[in-house]
Amino acid sequence: EAQVTQNPRYLITVTGKKLTVTCSQNMNHEYMSWYRQDPGLGLRQIYYSMNVEVTDKGDVPEGYKVSRKEKRNFPLILESPSPNQTSLYFCASSPGTQPPQYFGPGTRLTVL
Amino acid sequence: AQSVTQLDSQVPVFEEAPVELRCNYSSSVSVYLFWYVQYPNQGLQLLLKYLSGSTLVKGINGFEAEFNKSQTSFHLRKPSVHISDTAEYFCAVSDRRSGYALNFGKGTSLLVTP
Repeated sequence: EAQVTQNPRYLITVTGKKLTVTCSQNMNHEYMSWYRQDPGLGLRQIYYSMNVEVTDKGDVPEGYKVSRKEKRNFPLILESPSPNQTSLYFCASSPGTQPPQYFGPGTRLTVL
Repeated sequence: AQSVTQLDSQVPVFEEAPVELRCNYSSSVSVYLFWYVQYPNQGLQLLLKYLSGSTLVKGINGFEAEFNKSQTSFHLRKPSVHISDTAEYFCAVSDRRSGYALNFGKGTSLLVTP
């Protein structure tokens, strides 16, 4: 089954404790991206990647890092999480150079 | 810069009635347009997309949308809704210049009642 998977689905952590949210797709898609969803602000892009070893900032990249060492994986790294990064995070992918069409189930992150 | 306006934050409708969810966009370049649906506690699912070609786009679950360049609109329609269509619907715009980032509207909550 074609899908985008994220782990963990839920995470509660404390300020400053480094964490990684994994994202994997099994569709051989070139394009992958991360979004966060916040009440009143909607969905905003954090980072995107057009292919392996090619990443770029989205609208709200501060406090996040990404890497794209393999085509299928696109982890989101929070080196020193802060409470304002409490949010619902979505990973997405698409074939070629097209806007994201397949979204993961989301990761609900709470930073205390 | 591109932007999306979803004109209704909530749309209540009776089961089996038709529905239209409105979306207007602004962009100075050629755009790609999308509608996504988000059911409670789930991710986003692509309903339909306009990349080029025919301006009438048919999607999943009986939804369709029409790209109107002169009115910069991409309204979503369904002739007869079901209770199961109750969800949040997002319109989004993208283009090459933005690195294919999706610029989402604030969403429209569709509530279908018996």
